[in-house]
Amino acid sequence: GAGVSQSPRYKVAKRGQDVALRCDPISGHVSLFWYQQALGQGPEFLTYFQNEAQLDKSGLPSDRFFAERPEGSVSTLKIQRTQQEDSAVYLCASKSPQETQYFGPGTRLLVL
Amino acid sequence: AQSVTQLDSHVSVSEGTPVLLRCNYSSSYSPSLFWYVQHPNKGLQLLLKYTSAATLVKGINGFEAEFKKSETSFHLTKPSAHMSDAAEYFCVVSDHRNNDMRFGAGTRLTVKP
Repeated sequence: GAGVSQSPRYKVAKRGQDVALRCDPISGHVSLFWYQQALGQGPEFLTYFQNEAQLDKSGLPSDRFFAERPEGSVSTLKIQRTQQEDSAVYLCASKSPQETQYFGPGTRLLVL
Repeated sequence: AQSVTQLDSHVSVSEGTPVLLRCNYSSSYSPSLFWYVQHPNKGLQLLLKYTSAATLVKGINGFEAEFKKSETSFHLTKPSAHMSDAAEYFCVVSDHRNNDMRFGAGTRLTVKP
């Protein structure tokens, strides 16, 4: 009965570096979401998967952001050529059949 | 389109006194509404949810919320605040048809001894 886990919990990157953030959803949850939470703000939707299919990526802020879920379980959010404005907490959530989203602890990304 | 407005960015109460965190929503369809709590360095935890059943929803840790369609509100209440309630609270509206969840900006609850 483990919850959603994310790694790393903290990441410091130099501007221009590529980063990869991992999300392990609750076993059996079909739907997976990524959110970005800037300091002092509520989470904002980035992208959504149903199994391995990325059904909505309308929230991704630029083409430097890329997400995948190749086998329908673990998902990776990749940010290429990081910029300072990418600094935020990145949250992953998986959704139960009862339509409730369960969130991971997040990855705090700091771009210097 | 749907959106959420949390009317207070910061609420401060004394321990043992009632808590009221206000939320108004906008939605074109019958929404699902949620309250989540976020403690420092912890993940978002679901407090309660409304999905078109009873309008008064009871959640964990003594919290409850009432869905008022006429006022488009979903305020969160608790009769008696505890020190452990100090956290950030988010009101969320969801349109189940498209998996779109919109978060409010959050309300920081401070509980004074």
